[in-house]
Amino acid sequence: NAGVTQTPKFRILKIGQSMTLQCAQDMNHNYMYWYRQDPGMGLKLIYYSVGAGITDKGEVPNGYNVSRSTTEDFPLRLELAAPSQTSVYFCASSYSWGAEINIQYFGAGTRLSVL
Amino acid sequence: AQKITQTQPGMFVQEKEAVTLDCTYDTSDPSYGLFWYKQPSSGEMIFLIYQGSYDQQNATEGRYSLNFQKARKSANLVISASQLGDSAMYFCAMSEANQAGTALIFGKGTTLSVSS
Repeated sequence: NAGVTQTPKFRILKIGQSMTLQCAQDMNHNYMYWYRQDPGMGLKLIYYSVGAGITDKGEVPNGYNVSRSTTEDFPLRLELAAPSQTSVYFCASSYSWGAEINIQYFGAGTRLSVL
Repeated sequence: AQKITQTQPGMFVQEKEAVTLDCTYDTSDPSYGLFWYKQPSSGEMIFLIYQGSYDQQNATEGRYSLNFQKARKSANLVISASQLGDSAMYFCAMSEANQAGTALIFGKGTTLSVSS
């Protein structure tokens, strides 16, 4: 039962470096999401996708990009890392039947530090 | 205005006691879902329970129940017979029909500590 798999688990970046956070799900879910969690806070939506080839911005998209070429994969790209992007990043997926039954399943998270 | 409010930063309970974690929400959408997630110290987000806005009965999942009071816009989580393994951060979240991608909006969380 893989569910939602995120790699890497931890990463340290220097300011200005780029990286891609990988996310894959094997549940055939149509919806996928990227959230970030800052210390002591709840999660905030960065980007989401309602299906392959369709992505859109969430609440905090600046400094990030996404793509969704397949149902399974939803990578998150950081182009020019900044200290403000130090956070824990969660990928989630769901088979959305609408707002009422949109149970999202989360990956284990990626802890990113930008120094 | 905050969409999800969790007013208890920390709660303390003894083993085998019941505990209620508070959550109030704000929405004008007639169709929405309410969810609770558990985040242990290891960091993962674990889905516990959900309640749809049109559900007539309170949701239950094992030791977890959701006390849904629609008129008061509250969705409190009740954990019966607390166990040491229940010590974690608990997040209340909401999904609205008119929210982008029906994504979850999270509260700031409540830390639950269970002692023996």
